[in-house]
Amino acid sequence: AQSVTQLGSHVSVSEGALVLLRCNYSSSVPPYLFWYVQYPNQGLQLLLKYTTGATLVKGINGFEAEFKKSETSFHLTKPSAHMSDAAEYFCAVSDPGYSSASKIIFGSGTRLSIRP
Amino acid sequence: GAVVSQHPSRVICKSGTSVKIECRSLDFQATTMFWYRQFPKQSLMLMATSNEGSKATYEQGVEKDKFLINHASLTLSTLTVTSAHPEDSSFYICSARDRTGTVNTEAFFGQGTRLTVV
Repeated sequence: AQSVTQLGSHVSVSEGALVLLRCNYSSSVPPYLFWYVQYPNQGLQLLLKYTTGATLVKGINGFEAEFKKSETSFHLTKPSAHMSDAAEYFCAVSDPGYSSASKIIFGSGTRLSIRP
Repeated sequence: GAVVSQHPSRVICKSGTSVKIECRSLDFQATTMFWYRQFPKQSLMLMATSNEGSKATYEQGVEKDKFLINHASLTLSTLTVTSAHPEDSSFYICSARDRTGTVNTEAFFGQGTRLTVV
């Protein structure tokens, strides 16, 4: 069974500071990994995804994440935080490929706050 | 990216009534749709997976008679909460997966429906 652990339910950084949101996964097969962002009372927007190939993945809004198999991690980073980055962030995992049976399993989420 | 539209975005209903939530893929054919439930400040919990033209597969602990899912066409799936009670109040989100040839794509998410049962 697959699972995702997000370390830290709440992260607060100053505007302009580095953003680091941690995600560790458990999977018996090489997984597909995702980061989603959710603004209040809205659905999820895909920030970035890792499927195969390059382990450093660049996403929207200046975010990037690195797949580290040896550490079973997929941490999300952004060099300089912006006030508009304040939101809930979810790390997610699914089986490789997008078969009809592939489910997306979400982590518990990390709320990112930005201090002026 | 592909667009998934959910309707309504908010609904308030009386206890004991039924509520239907629609999930539409606007510019692609959704071979698979997923329904999630999200409690305040919590993660998304998968309720069920539905493939077009077949019965939905429910996750353990989800009452299939209470949460009726219909995926009758490649662009529409509906979730009906039957005999709703206040504890069913939650944020419901659908997602849909496209197919290009024989390859499925990633899942795209709707904007969610806030259900309040009074």
